Amino acid sequence: AQSVTQLDSQVPVFEEAPVELRCNYSSSVSVYLFWYVQYPNQGLQLLLKYLSGSTLVKGINGFEAEFNKSQTSFHLRKPSVHISDTAEYFCAVRGNAGNMLTFGGGTRLMVKP
Amino acid sequence: KAGVTQTPRYLIKTRGQQVTLSCSPISGHRSVSWYQQTPGQGLQFLFEYFSETQRNKGNFPGRFSGRQFSNSRSEMNVSTLELGDSALYLCASSLLGTTGELFFGEGSRLTVL
Repeated sequence: AQSVTQLDSQVPVFEEAPVELRCNYSSSVSVYLFWYVQYPNQGLQLLLKYLSGSTLVKGINGFEAEFNKSQTSFHLRKPSVHISDTAEYFCAVRGNAGNMLTFGGGTRLMVKP
Repeated sequence: KAGVTQTPRYLIKTRGQQVTLSCSPISGHRSVSWYQQTPGQGLQFLFEYFSETQRNKGNFPGRFSGRQFSNSRSEMNVSTLELGDSALYLCASSLLGTTGELFFGEGSRLTVL
């Protein structure tokens, strides 16, 4: 069984400032890791994914994440946020049986002008 | 390429009624998953279908059921609706394989009165 913890339910940040959204997971098997973004009244859009290989993963909209196996973390970062980044962000893990994702509780990123 | 299409987008039902939600996956995608999103419980996996067979099932009561047709379209049904079934129901489709990205629809928002 897997579980995901997103340590911050809300993260306020000023425009053009850097941001880090934290994600920790637990699993007894190898996992694949994902970050999704959800804008109001919309579904989920994939930002980036870690399947294997380089632990630094680059995604869309300038986001990147680093997989740290020893810390069981997969934190999401962006060096300079924009107002349009205001949304809810979900970290998710998947084991090796099917396409079932286990999601964290989400982090609401609020970018202020 | 058309995305994942969910219908209806919004619906209101009363306790005790039943509801059927529909999902048309991206052309060529044979895996369809369903998730329930609520403010209290977050995103929870309902079930996954692949080639008309249920491959995984989440921890939901038997009132929640689903099926997949030969054209990969999927439906989910909730019988004897309860107030707590009010949620955004998200459908996601994926190509074959456990490393495939999940593509989400915009969801069907169910309100139970």
